[in-house]
Order: sequence, then structure tokens, then C-alpha cells
Amino acid sequence: DAGVTQSPTHLIKTRGQHVTLRCSPISGHKSVSWYQQVLGQGPQFIFQYYEKEERGRGNFPDRFSARQFPNYSSELNVNALLLGDSALYLCASSWAGGRTQETQYFGPGTRLLVL
Amino acid sequence: SQQGEEDPQALSIQEGENATMNCSYKTSINNLQWYRQNSGRGLVHLILIRSNEREKHSGRLRVTLDTSKKSSSLLITASRAADTASYFCAALYNQGGKLIFGQGTELSVKP
Repeated sequence: DAGVTQSPTHLIKTRGQHVTLRCSPISGHKSVSWYQQVLGQGPQFIFQYYEKEERGRGNFPDRFSARQFPNYSSELNVNALLLGDSALYLCASSWAGGRTQETQYFGPGTRLLVL
Repeated sequence: SQQGEEDPQALSIQEGENATMNCSYKTSINNLQWYRQNSGRGLVHLILIRSNEREKHSGRLRVTLDTSKKSSSLLITASRAADTASYFCAALYNQGGKLIFGQGTELSVKP
């Protein structure tokens, strides 16, 4: 079975632009979470979606938004990019969105560089 | 900030030695998970320990959880060069899916 997939793998943008990152969860998983990992730090929670509804939001500005589609794939959108948005963006999928004692499985990430 | 703390930040050992990494967290947790990350790529899940468990094993990995001290440790026995990676603990504080990660321990295993 395929694991969590993310696209693109790398992305270079300039300040002020907009970016869309995509994630496909493991087949059968209904929850997707997004994390931002700045170099040298642990991942920081951005959003969680379960059954197409937002379940949680981290401490990120409104420039960050996300959605989940009927097939449970997800998009993370970031508007008005800043240099500080340069990071590895990780997507994690789980079956029940943390309601049970379950593992979250991470994708390989999208590395975003903002110039 | 709820972010956990890990120590040491970096650890360098020889192949065959054991590696111990520690993690502390802030408040009561639902469970604690350990992940490995190679060269800034995706996170690989290693082990999950529930708040009512004290110790768990998986192959060469042993995880302990001390809820009174709000701390956990990951022991890798008989380390190999392939264990070289960054290791993160992540706490699940409630029934939702928000994981709070520590800063990570960078492990280097020399052949």
C-alpha cells in the first residue's frame, strides 16, 4: 500500500507569492494534519482535518489555510509568503484523527524556499 | 509554549554502544510518540506509549514513560551506523490529533 504522498517535493517562491501544497493520505485514513518544520526545530502543528472538517488549528496567521476533499486528500495554502515561511511542510494521516490511541503517519514533506 | 524539551541536543557514539535520549513535556498527556527523521525528510514512526503504560519495547528500542516527572526516554541498544538520524518525541495532549514535538536529538553513530 502507498504511504502518505505529498507534492511537490521542492518549491521555490518569492516573497508575496502564494503557494499550494498537496497531500494524499494512506488509503482508508480520514484525517490529515499539517505541520511546519523550520530547520533545526521540531515540527509545529498547523491544521488538522477530519472528515472534511477542520478539527484543530495551530498558532499560525490567517495567511495559512487548508481544506480536505471528499477523497480525504488535502491542500495547504499560504498567501503573501514571507521569508520566514521557508520550511519543510509535513503532512500526516491517521484513521480517526487522534480519537483513538493511533499512530500518525507522515509523508516525505515539501521543502519550501521563499526568496 | 507547550513544546517539549529533549536532551541531549546532539549525541555521538560508536557502533555497538547504547544511545539514550530524554524528553520532557508540560501537562498531562494522552500518549507519547517517538519519531525518527533522516536528513530533513519525512518522519518515521518508531513507537507509541500510552499514558497508562510505563515501558514498551520494539526490537532494539525501549521507551519508558514517567508521568509523575512528565518525562520519557528512548533507548536504542547496540546502535548501528544506520541509526544516525534526528529523533523526536511528540506528545498527544488530548483526544484530538495535535502532536506537540520536542526540539529533537541529533544522533550520530560512528562505524
